[in-house]
Amino acid sequence: AQTVTQSQPEMSVQEAETVTLSCTYDTSESDYYLFWYKQPPSRQMILVIRQEAYKQQNATENRFSVNFQKAAKSFSLKISDSQLGDAAMYFCAANYGGSQGNLIFGKGTKLSVKP
Amino acid sequence: DTEVTQTPKHLVMGMTNKKSLKCEQHMGHRAMYWYKQKAKKPPELMFVYSYEKLSINESVPSRFSPECPNSSLLNLHLHALQPEDSALYLCASSLLGTGNYGYTFGSGTRLTVV
Repeated sequence: AQTVTQSQPEMSVQEAETVTLSCTYDTSESDYYLFWYKQPPSRQMILVIRQEAYKQQNATENRFSVNFQKAAKSFSLKISDSQLGDAAMYFCAANYGGSQGNLIFGKGTKLSVKP
Repeated sequence: DTEVTQTPKHLVMGMTNKKSLKCEQHMGHRAMYWYKQKAKKPPELMFVYSYEKLSINESVPSRFSPECPNSSLLNLHLHALQPEDSALYLCASSLLGTGNYGYTFGSGTRLTVV
């Protein structure tokens, strides 16, 4: 089965500190794409970062970076210099090749940022 | 225009009503999607409209029916809904049907069935 697993229902980080959110996935496909989405209380799903499976280099977007371990099927998100506005639900998601564009989501991690 | 626009933002309807949700994008994306999201849960795919072909999640009841009048617009028609259908309905689009370049989501319609 093609799955995405987030094992941390909730995480907390102090403002300006660094936090890492975990995600593992399972697929037999060789071609797939991995995403981290942020959903604040305003409820819009916002793309944080994207990783192509065929690229070995970890994706980076400003304060957000991923640790993509293909052999271990792990795709963690690191948030550096955390800000109050980072507080949200974070979903790890995958689009596996041939799945007609279907995004498969993990259950989400609720991130709190303490001032 | 880099947005997916959903209307209305909130909707309250009775179980005998007929209503429609609207989703629009002008980014030239070739695929559009409807997702249903219950509270504190991840979104679940309902429908995909990609390259003029509709794909349906077989678990979605027939009281939900999508309509794609053109490549920029995707409606979701609602009829005889149940209280358990109350949820956030998210629309998304992607440049290619395989989602290679990510998905752009709208801000959702909060639906309450009474």
